[in-house]
Amino acid sequence: QKEVEQNSGPLSVPEGAIASLNCTYSDRGSQSFFWYRQYSGKSPELIMSIYSNGDKEDGRFTAQLNKASQYVSLLIRDSQPSDSATYLCAVKSSGANNLFFGTGTRLTVIP
Amino acid sequence: EAQVTQNPRYLITVTGKKLTVTCSQNMNHEYMSWYRQDPGLGLRQIYYSMNVEVTDKGDVPEGYKVSRKEKRNFPLILESPSPNQTSLYFCASSRGDSPLHFGNGTRLTVT
Repeated sequence: QKEVEQNSGPLSVPEGAIASLNCTYSDRGSQSFFWYRQYSGKSPELIMSIYSNGDKEDGRFTAQLNKASQYVSLLIRDSQPSDSATYLCAVKSSGANNLFFGTGTRLTVIP
Repeated sequence: EAQVTQNPRYLITVTGKKLTVTCSQNMNHEYMSWYRQDPGLGLRQIYYSMNVEVTDKGDVPEGYKVSRKEKRNFPLILESPSPNQTSLYFCASSRGDSPLHFGNGTRLTVT
């Protein structure tokens, strides 16, 4: 079983819609959760970090964490064509040295 | 400006010719890591370092070496590159549970 799983997509949404990206993880001891956006050929850039259950909002982005169900999601409101990218979920366990990445979900926002 | 600097950005080489990809960070981060990214496989960790003189294998260490003689530098060494090491490589650093900061990437082609 992979540490972090994401639907690879592609996920297509029309411009202005809400894009919902999901991620599940296997280690119940995980404490830190991150969403990165990566454009083709570029380095991942941090979108959101979340450390406790519930929602965290930053502009058009909302991260949701449910530790009991072991999932973390990212909502993108009012999606724009510039949001078209691959979104990587990353999870770190308490006391662990490493950050585990999912394989990413490719999002396409259609104008 | 806080950053992780990788060099070179692009490298084309031949099988068996030793090469080094440099990585330097100016944020005084303890943790540094190397990843390779291949289509459909996501980010896979090669080696990581928790601090000076402390390194450990990631998921795909075969064919690679690293060293951490200074806190800011974490070079990746390919003693005898092979075509299956053709990939996009990223160096990253962080402190504690803070998010990873990524370098701009090195696209390596081994013929």
